[in-house]
Amino acid sequence: GNSVTQMEGPVTLSEEAFLTINCTYTATGYPSLFWYVQYPGEGLQLLLKATKADDKGSNKGFEATYRKETTSFHLEKGSVQVSDSAVYFCALLGGYNKLIFGAGTRLAVHP
Amino acid sequence: NAGVTQTPKFRVLKTGQSMTLLCAQDMNHEYMYWYRQDPGMGLRLIHYSVGEGTTAKGEVPDGYNVSRLKKQNFLLGLESAAPSQTSVYFCASSYPEDREYNEQFFGPGTRLTVL
Repeated sequence: GNSVTQMEGPVTLSEEAFLTINCTYTATGYPSLFWYVQYPGEGLQLLLKATKADDKGSNKGFEATYRKETTSFHLEKGSVQVSDSAVYFCALLGGYNKLIFGAGTRLAVHP
Repeated sequence: NAGVTQTPKFRVLKTGQSMTLLCAQDMNHEYMYWYRQDPGMGLRLIHYSVGEGTTAKGEVPDGYNVSRLKKQNFLLGLESAAPSQTSVYFCASSYPEDREYNEQFFGPGTRLTVL
């Protein structure tokens, strides 16, 4: 079946450091892939998405490239800010738009 | 637009009690979903609906029932709450998959504790 695996957290970084959160997937075919972000006490918000192989999704300085060769969709940001502290979820899209989520990775950015 | 709203925000139940969580969306989305979020497990799909009057089971449906009597509302019921149902519950909605913008929009969540 379809599944998503994310690197375990928490990830703790200093402000302006480079961020990578790894995400790999198992799926039949080439589903759309997503990164969602959850700020403390809030619901999930879509951060970025990619709908086909080699697509790059980007938003708010974050980027992720859909790599079918390595079945990966790693999230990167060149310079993190304290306001980026949140939980990040990688997900793939199944039938009827159902999302299959990874376990989530907590990011803590310190000044 | 309010987007996706959930009521209540917090609730404490005793084992065996029942309750209903309400989800409402004002985006005219056909699809709606209920997830639960538990530490270290991400979000897991409980039930979903692809239109008014329809419901279907997700990954973890046992102990829950749902109804979609109106397009804008999706209700999640717990008939006899158990401590294992202590969780944060999220509702989401989306357009069908054949639309260009088909991502899910999430509500703020309901934190439920069952004692």
